[in-house]
Amino acid sequence: GAVVSQHPSRVICKSGTSVKIECRSLDFQATTMFWYRQFPKQSLMLMATSNEGSKATYEQGVEKDKFLINHASLTLSTLTVTSAHPEDSSFYICSARDPRFDTAQYFGPGTRLTVL
Amino acid sequence: GQNIDQPTEMTATEGAIVQINCTYQTSGFNGLFWYQQHAGEAPTFLSYNVLDGLEEKGRFSSFLSRSKGYSYLLLKELQMKDSASYLCAYMDSNYQLIWGAGTKLIIKP
Repeated sequence: GAVVSQHPSRVICKSGTSVKIECRSLDFQATTMFWYRQFPKQSLMLMATSNEGSKATYEQGVEKDKFLINHASLTLSTLTVTSAHPEDSSFYICSARDPRFDTAQYFGPGTRLTVL
Repeated sequence: GQNIDQPTEMTATEGAIVQINCTYQTSGFNGLFWYQQHAGEAPTFLSYNVLDGLEEKGRFSSFLSRSKGYSYLLLKELQMKDSASYLCAYMDSNYQLIWGAGTKLIIKP
């Protein structure tokens, strides 16, 4: 299947700082990317849908000013957690839809964020 | 609405067969996915069903009945490495994945 990378895989930061997470599709152009958050022992929660060249669509309850999403190219989407707090500590996972296969969605390896 | 259910946890024995069920209710449907997720890792794609019937892929098979809103993932010849959470998700009319809570599968020797 298609390959999606995510960087960094793990980050620890101080409360109040901002953290940027990158999601890249390595062997295909992704017009749509998705950002998920997963707390321990819970299911995936969709945060937002990122479309190349347009504003992201955020799910209800997700603060767009806190979780900034940029999808500037067909292979890169970034999620910036601004003014991070300990409650933002979570596993953040991106996925990308491969337009060659309408329904296929491939996940990055995830980023473990710990806010102290 | 978004309504998808699967058992929270199942236990099986190494070498045996286990079936993980998933039921859903939706007005718009574009297929049913199964993913495997090991602890601390991102989900990995296992299978996709959009038509009724059984899709077999090695030790794993997935079944779909659209009229019943029902799918199952069948794992044969269980190995210890199969211990993981198994997530089912249906794709709605907007091509968005709606996720179940996941089934934690525990394999015992």
